[in-house]
Amino acid sequence: NAGVTQTPKFQVLKTGQSMTLQCAQDMNHEYMSWYRQDPGMGLRLIHYSVGAGITDQGEVPNGYNVSRSTTEDFPLRLLSAAPSQTSVYFCASRGQGVTDTQYFGPGTRLTVL
Amino acid sequence: AQSVTQLGSHVSVSEGALVLLRCNYSSSVPPYLFWYVQYPNQGLQLLLKYTSAATLVKGINGFEAEFKKSETSFHLTKPSAHMSDAAEYFCAVSDFYNQGGKLIFGQGTELSVKP
Repeated sequence: NAGVTQTPKFQVLKTGQSMTLQCAQDMNHEYMSWYRQDPGMGLRLIHYSVGAGITDQGEVPNGYNVSRSTTEDFPLRLLSAAPSQTSVYFCASRGQGVTDTQYFGPGTRLTVL
Repeated sequence: AQSVTQLGSHVSVSEGALVLLRCNYSSSVPPYLFWYVQYPNQGLQLLLKYTSAATLVKGINGFEAEFKKSETSFHLTKPSAHMSDAAEYFCAVSDFYNQGGKLIFGQGTELSVKP
């Protein structure tokens, strides 16, 4: 199993550009989520999904969109990048139980100029 | 609302010394608690978790943590530090009533190990 994969690993954008961060998992997990990691702030939830076709907002959703057309994929879209979105982004997945282990991808380091 | 506080953003120990990373939580319901480790330029990896069974939880790489309800704590320990333990450690609580059971993370503690 590849686990949770993310592409790209690094990305530099200019303010106002759009892009999609890709996330895929091969563990047949229903629950997937996106976090951003900023120094001194831990990880904060952006969006999450409890299954294909179902998504919802986390604590910092502004400026991001998601969709979940398949169980495996959960892309994160930045519609108009801003410098405040400079961060490291992690995708994670787990089974249906809230105590199930959450598996994290290797992250995407995004810089917005 | 649930929250996690990690005391000390940086902890430095000598190789072979005790590792103690502190985590306190706030929760109005019995919590599920987790410790994750992040090595440089990598994602997070689960070290151990407390899910209301045994209060002393053993994890990977010789780490363990004890759930103490009276102190609302879930401190992470390892008897003897190794150079390979240098990493950032995150304590998290599962908010199982909200947002699909999202994880709420502490700010993280960076562990340095001196030779």
